[in-house]
Amino acid sequence: DTAVSQTPKYLVTQMGNDKSIKCEQNLGHDTMYWYKQDSKKFLKIMFSYNNKELIINETVPNRFSPKSPDKAHLNLHINSLELGDSAVYFCASSLRDSSYNEQFFGPGTRLTVL
Amino acid sequence: AQSVTQLGSHVSVSEGALVLLRCNYSSSVPPYLFWYVQYPNQGLQLLLKYTTGATLVKGINGFEAEFKKSETSFHLTKPSAHMSDAAEYFCAVSEGSYNTDKLIFGTGTRLQVFP
Repeated sequence: DTAVSQTPKYLVTQMGNDKSIKCEQNLGHDTMYWYKQDSKKFLKIMFSYNNKELIINETVPNRFSPKSPDKAHLNLHINSLELGDSAVYFCASSLRDSSYNEQFFGPGTRLTVL
Repeated sequence: AQSVTQLGSHVSVSEGALVLLRCNYSSSVPPYLFWYVQYPNQGLQLLLKYTTGATLVKGINGFEAEFKKSETSFHLTKPSAHMSDAAEYFCAVSEGSYNTDKLIFGTGTRLQVFP
């Protein structure tokens, strides 16, 4: 009965490869997000989708391409991976029409680029 | 533009002592404010939030925070620390009803609790 789930939990890959991270939520939310947490624990939003529509794109390199097949899923595809992409990536979800923006976070995917 | 400053990247307290984690924000609109906790190798969990109304908000695990508009602060407190409180704590701000979609996080404060 996990609320926000991500796969895989760990991802180790070589520079130049292409990889995807998947996120699913079963909370009935209509908005999903991707955040990046760097080695200093700094969290920064990357993307947000509402009802499969991109609403936030925070100057992320176009090697990163989010895809939302439906409201419950938001996947992150990364092309031509670079060393600087190593980080923990968190998916989150919320209900946009609620009176406040309480975001529920997944457990994170630790990406290591060698 | 909104921003959050967390004073002190590390805070150490003894078990049973008062916990005080500082957060100051900058926002051009009435803010919504949040405290999240991150235990090792886990995702973020919401501790408490301020949206409107009462400025003293209570959260889970005995934590509370007070919104002080004049000081642009939202400090997190707990009267008596427990060993299980050791974690990373993040303060965050959003633009509330003006734009509910974007959370801006502070750089985090690591809380250590000594026996």
